[in-house]
Amino acid sequence: DIVLTQSPLSLPVTPGEPASISCRSSQSLLHSSNGHTYLDWYLQKPGQSPQLLIYLVSNRASGVPDRFSGSGSGTDFILKISRVEAEDVGIYYCMQCLQTPITFGQGTRLELK
Amino acid sequence: QVQMVQSGAEVKKPGASVKVSCKASGYSLTVHYIHWVRQAPGQGLEWMGWINGNNGGTNYAQKFRGRVTMTRDTSISTAYMELTSLTSDDTAEYYCVRMSRDYYYFDLWGRGTLVSVSS
Repeated sequence: DIVLTQSPLSLPVTPGEPASISCRSSQSLLHSSNGHTYLDWYLQKPGQSPQLLIYLVSNRASGVPDRFSGSGSGTDFILKISRVEAEDVGIYYCMQCLQTPITFGQGTRLELK
Repeated sequence: QVQMVQSGAEVKKPGASVKVSCKASGYSLTVHYIHWVRQAPGQGLEWMGWINGNNGGTNYAQKFRGRVTMTRDTSISTAYMELTSLTSDDTAEYYCVRMSRDYYYFDLWGRGTLVSVSS
């Protein structure tokens, strides 16, 4: 199974400041046949289902503010928030769907200072 | 409105089974894979498996093989997940999730069904 390791697990941030979350994979998430890298980011706001933020490493989902960005390749990935807002509070998960079993990172809890 | 409507909360005794439903609204069940993901209280997300909405083919996580069955009824646009031999460790929120047609991401989540297992 592919193991995804996120850091930090807890992220206190002052509103208006940037934030960054790392996700490292135990093996490359690059699909050799089509060149896509199957790493997505989801946000689970308090009391809600997870929602898609970023797919294929760096593509923002529809309606996601441009303060969110994703980068990385192979086994190392980063989610960045340029200026944290109150509505960004929740748990962030990276997920790989290159192969089954689909696996998630442990989650990073972002809270406001 | 495009959504996945899940059945209500369940309370079960250890050893019992539970069957959770997920109705596709506003789109065709047959053009997507439907996955099931669970989340124990205060814990992370755990993938359980998928069902092909078109042909009913399935793929289960090793952890759940022998205990989980995913089915669908295309006549009523509903997918089901049945889990047997429940223990307290199965207490969790169970989500049905739609995979995008290009298989890149989960593009639609149900609101979850809480299954509580307690004697």
